[in-house]
Amino acid sequence: GAVVSQHPSRVICKSGTSVKIECRSLDFQATTMFWYRQFPKQSLMLMATSNEGSKATYEQGVEKDKFLINHASLTLSTLTVTSAHPEDSSFYICSARVAGLGGNIQYFGAGTRLSVL
Amino acid sequence: GENVGLHLPTLSVQEGDNSIINCAYSNSASDYFIWYKQESGKGPQFIIDIRSNMDKRQGQRVTVLLNKTVKHLSLQIAATQPGDSAVYFCAETLAMDSSYKLIFGSGTRLLVRP
Repeated sequence: GAVVSQHPSRVICKSGTSVKIECRSLDFQATTMFWYRQFPKQSLMLMATSNEGSKATYEQGVEKDKFLINHASLTLSTLTVTSAHPEDSSFYICSARVAGLGGNIQYFGAGTRLSVL
Repeated sequence: GENVGLHLPTLSVQEGDNSIINCAYSNSASDYFIWYKQESGKGPQFIIDIRSNMDKRQGQRVTVLLNKTVKHLSLQIAATQPGDSAVYFCAETLAMDSSYKLIFGSGTRLLVRP
């Protein structure tokens, strides 16, 4: 399957700082990437859809100014958690869309564990 | 929005036995389904997919069954191995949905007993 690289895998930061997470498609071009958030023992919650060359589409309840998404190239999308607070601590996962046999498969990165002190 | 749900949050099986993980979906318009495996601390890994015009699809040691009448999806794992221990999610989508969104179920944890 397609390979999606996510970096960093883990980050610990102080409250009030900003954190940038990168998501790269390594062996394919991805016009559409997705950012999810996952709490312990829960399912994935879609935060936003990242579209190359255009603004991201955010899900209801997700603060656009809090979670900045940039998709400047066909292989890279970034998520910046601005002025992070302890409640932002979570597991953030990105995915990239690949057209499959039956539809659009999303391949996922390894995730980023964010801990805000 | 509509959700994809699972009957069992945790499934414990003996190594070597077959596992069956179930999923119920509520959106009758969904026509494309994917099973993902997520190991602890990692991102979901694609296992197998199926279109709504199929009832069954087989992969390596895995089989997905789709029953559109009752809106039920299952993942069968043959000869379950310790490495199969993980949380399994089903996801549904509309193949022609231009948003390409996946709706994930709540997940089932599979525990393999040695």
